[in-house]
Amino acid sequence: EAQVTQNPRYLITVTGKKLTVTCSQNMNHEYMSWYRQDPGLGLRQIYYSMNVEVTDKGDVPEGYKVSRKEKRNFPLILESPSPNQTSLYFCASSEPRGGPLETQYFGPGTRLLVL
Amino acid sequence: AQSVTQPDIHITVSEGASLELRCNYSYGATPYLFWYVQSPGQGLQLLLKYFSGDTLVQGIKGFEAEFKRSQSSFNLRKPSVHWSDAAEYFCAVGANNFNKFYFGSGTKLNVKP
Repeated sequence: EAQVTQNPRYLITVTGKKLTVTCSQNMNHEYMSWYRQDPGLGLRQIYYSMNVEVTDKGDVPEGYKVSRKEKRNFPLILESPSPNQTSLYFCASSEPRGGPLETQYFGPGTRLLVL
Repeated sequence: AQSVTQPDIHITVSEGASLELRCNYSYGATPYLFWYVQSPGQGLQLLLKYFSGDTLVQGIKGFEAEFKRSQSSFNLRKPSVHWSDAAEYFCAVGANNFNKFYFGSGTKLNVKP
């Protein structure tokens, strides 16, 4: 089944404790992206990747890191989480050539609470 | 700068009634416009998209949207709403460098029996 998976789905952590949220897709998509969703703000793009080893900042990259060593995986790293990073996070991937202008397929989301 | 505005935070309609969700965008070049739907506890699913050509776009689940350049709008419509349409709807614009993507703040749709 074609899908985007994220782990963990729920995470409670404390300020300053490094964490990684994994994202994996099995559709051979080149473009992958991370978003955070906050009430009243919709989804905001954190980072995106056009292909392996090619990443760039979205609108709200501060406090986050990403890496793209393999085509299928695009982990999101919070090296020193803070309470303002409490949010619902979505990973997405889209079909080749068109980047996000092709249909984006979203993962189920990761709900993060930073105490 | 690109931006997307969805002026209605919540909308309630009766089952079988027609629906229109509003979306206005701000973008300097030709916009690439999208509507996504998010069911409770789920990720987002693409309903339809507009790149060029016919300004009336048909999507899945009986939805359509009309691009009006003069009004900078891309409103979503459905002639007869079903209870299963209750969800949150997001309008979005893609930058023409194919990289960045901007969502509106969303409209939550409730459907009354």
